[in-house]
Amino acid sequence: EAGVAQSPRYKIIEKRQSVAFWCNPISGHATLYWYQQILGQGPKLLIQFQNNGVVDDSQLPKDRFSAERLKGVDSTLKIQPAKLEDSAVYLCASSLKPLGTQYFGPGTRLTVL
Amino acid sequence: AQKITQTQPGMFVQEKEAVTLDCTYDTSDQSYGLFWYKQPSSGEMIFLIYQGSYDEQNATEGRYSLNFQKARKSANLVISASQLGDSAMYFCAMRGATGDYKLSFGAGTTVTVRA
Repeated sequence: EAGVAQSPRYKIIEKRQSVAFWCNPISGHATLYWYQQILGQGPKLLIQFQNNGVVDDSQLPKDRFSAERLKGVDSTLKIQPAKLEDSAVYLCASSLKPLGTQYFGPGTRLTVL
Repeated sequence: AQKITQTQPGMFVQEKEAVTLDCTYDTSDQSYGLFWYKQPSSGEMIFLIYQGSYDEQNATEGRYSLNFQKARKSANLVISASQLGDSAMYFCAMRGATGDYKLSFGAGTTVTVRA
């Protein structure tokens, strides 16, 4: 069974530029999560989808971050415009259902210069 | 609000020995889940083991076991017979079951296995 796929693996941009990350969850997993992991810290949830609906986006900085999961499968996370403090690893995870075990992708390491 | 505390920033262990990673948590939920994940230098978070708050027995998965002490609100991970490939960051996480389904992670513990 294929795991969670993410791309790109690495991205370097300058501040005020925009960037997008893509995630393809494990087949059949209805719940999808985006986490931000700043160096030296544990991951922090940005947004949670159940199918194509948002369940929790309370910690998403909505002035610059947006995410969508239009067909209930793939998801994209966008940052526009990026700030220096957005430098982090962005992890996508999926679970079969909201209370299921979350399985993570390899992450995208973003560096904002 | 849920809070996870991992007080050991880094640990060294000799190959083939056992190591215990501490995790304490704070929650007002009666029903919750506790997880341990491993994060190698490659960055991917690998699920290791799960313990439900109502599970009476401690969870075990191969060389991993979870020492769950509900009254003390602790969920320590024990890795037996350490291998060089166990060198990684280990995160304890908790998920509530009453509307707050997100995982709350601790700060992590770095484990280095010495040959």
